[in-house]
Amino acid sequence: GAVVSQHPSRVICKSGTSVKIECRSLDFQATTMFWYRQFPKKSLMLMATSNEGSKATYEQGVEKDKFLINHASLTLSTLTVTSAHPEDSSFYICSAREGDSHSTQYFGPGTRLLVL
Amino acid sequence: DAKTTQPPSMDCAEGRAANLPCNHSTISGNEYVYWYRQIHSQGPQYIIHGLKNNETNEMASLIITEDRKSSTLILPHATLRDTAVYYCIVRPTGNQFYFGTGTSLTVIP
Repeated sequence: GAVVSQHPSRVICKSGTSVKIECRSLDFQATTMFWYRQFPKKSLMLMATSNEGSKATYEQGVEKDKFLINHASLTLSTLTVTSAHPEDSSFYICSAREGDSHSTQYFGPGTRLLVL
Repeated sequence: DAKTTQPPSMDCAEGRAANLPCNHSTISGNEYVYWYRQIHSQGPQYIIHGLKNNETNEMASLIITEDRKSSTLILPHATLRDTAVYYCIVRPTGNQFYFGTGTSLTVIP
């Protein structure tokens, strides 16, 4: 299947700082990328949908000024957690869809964020 | 989006077939059934998907009932590495995936 990478795989930061997470589709062009977060022993929760070259669409309850999403190219989307707080500590996972809306989503390996 | 119901956990003996059920009684005609699995601390891995016909690939088989209100994922010869949380997702064309709670499958030696 198609490969999606994330960087970094884990990050520890101080409260109040910003953290950027990258999501790349390695062997296909992703017109649409998605960002999820997952708390321990819970399921994935969709945060936002990102289309290349346009503004992201955020799910209800997700602060767009807190979680900045940029999808500047067909192979890269970034999620920036601004002014991070300990409650933002979570497992963040991206996925990418190859081609049109009938396509399967492929997921990255995830980024574990710990805010101290 | 149609809601799915899965048993929270299942066990399977190594080498035997693992049959994971999923109910999606409110599924609409254009909604696909997708299966993913998530091994601890990793991103979800795509397994298989289908609309109304049964599907098979190198990982698994997907059996969808004729009325499409339920499906079963079959891992023909479960190994210890198949221990994971398995998610059944129903998705209209073009829409996002919303994950339910999934089934935690434990393969026992």
